[in-house]
Amino acid sequence: DVKVTQSSRYLVKRTGEKVFLECVQDMDHENMFWYRQDPGLGLRLIYFSYDVKMKEKGDIPEGYSVSREKKERFSLILESASTNQTSMYLCASSHPLRNYEQYFGPGTRLTVT
Amino acid sequence: GEDVEQSLFLSVREGDSSVINCTYTDSSSTYLYWYKQEPGAGLQLLTYIFSNMDMKQDQRLTVLLNKKDKHLSLRIADTQTGDSAIYFCAESRGGGNKLTFGTGTQLKVEL
Repeated sequence: DVKVTQSSRYLVKRTGEKVFLECVQDMDHENMFWYRQDPGLGLRLIYFSYDVKMKEKGDIPEGYSVSREKKERFSLILESASTNQTSMYLCASSHPLRNYEQYFGPGTRLTVT
Repeated sequence: GEDVEQSLFLSVREGDSSVINCTYTDSSSTYLYWYKQEPGAGLQLLTYIFSNMDMKQDQRLTVLLNKKDKHLSLRIADTQTGDSAIYFCAESRGGGNKLTFGTGTQLKVEL
């Protein structure tokens, strides 16, 4: 059974903290994605990676960075968390030859106070 | 999701048909998709349609594509309480790896 896991389901952090969100997939997929989901706005792409050490900005990269040191792991970093980054964060992966299907993790609900 | 639009809510009675609508903007999209998000879970691919098709049927699901109007719809026949979820349409960007998602439609099925 294919699986994308995220390190935390719920996270509460203070303004200014550095926050790491981890995502691991066991499908040997080259592509990995980070989205944020907000009511009425749908999913917005933050960053994606198409290979180890490769990354590309999505639609809303400001305030975020990413790291892909291993194929199975894709990390999202909030360098200095702010209250407007309170959101649901979803990780996904896909195979480049079957890029019509993205597999999603369960999400991390991040609250920044 | 500013380029892919959906209505936010839909309420139907159990056993009725549900129709969820979506308008998209990228005429070069190779595939168009419907994803389902159940409460507390990530998104799961429900079905997809290739851009050269007008219709696709998969058990209780029917996808209709009107390329002229850039309109996509998902019909769920005999809607059940287990169909209550958020449904997202999505389009591929220029046929590449990235998807643009709609705002999502919250489907509520009432007894």
